[in-house]
Amino acid sequence: NAGVMQNPRHLVRRRGQEARLRCSPMKGHSHVYWYRQLPEEGLKFMVYLQKENIIDESGMPKERFSAEFPKEGPSILRIQQVVRGDSAAYFCASSPPSGTAYEQYFGPGTRLTVT
Amino acid sequence: DQQVKQNSPSLSVQEGRISILNCDYTNSMFDYFLWYKKYPAEGPTFLISISSIKDKNEDGRFTVFLNKSAKHLSLHIVPSQPGDSAVYFCAASAKSGGSNYKLTFGKGTLLTVNP
Repeated sequence: NAGVMQNPRHLVRRRGQEARLRCSPMKGHSHVYWYRQLPEEGLKFMVYLQKENIIDESGMPKERFSAEFPKEGPSILRIQQVVRGDSAAYFCASSPPSGTAYEQYFGPGTRLTVT
Repeated sequence: DQQVKQNSPSLSVQEGRISILNCDYTNSMFDYFLWYKKYPAEGPTFLISISSIKDKNEDGRFTVFLNKSAKHLSLHIVPSQPGDSAVYFCAASAKSGGSNYKLTFGKGTLLTVNP
């Protein structure tokens, strides 16, 4: 039973480029959450998605960041025109339809470095 | 504004002794609390949780205590083992739309258990 998968594990982008982070939830999970961990900080909630719906994007920066969870395929977190401050670890979590906090299973994260 | 605080960045204990990790919160709307364990280059793994209607929850070597009046919780690990060495995150959530899905994390405490 595969866990939450994220790719790539490491991503290096130059300032101004686009970053695309992918998350495949656990089998049977239809809810996806994205969190960001800046250096020396805890994880911060970004967005909560269900298939084809954004439920809560209150933690997403207003510009350059977007997320989707299409009917088919992985969830995508997209960062346009990256800046050095976007360098962080981005974690995806998934849960079954109940969406309870303790049922969130985290992936290994994608470490984004902006040079 | 940090709503969940872990004031000890690190803790070192001897194998076999008790480890006590502390966490304070400021948001009185939080009604569900969790502890996660994280190894380097991996995502957080759920350890144990407690609802605000309880003051104690136990699972094997792990016990979480909640003091609502003090807005304080702690994680006790006894006996501590070298494999427990990891970063421990305290997290909290408040009901939103009928579900506790949005986790607010502390910055973490690095626990080192010495053989």
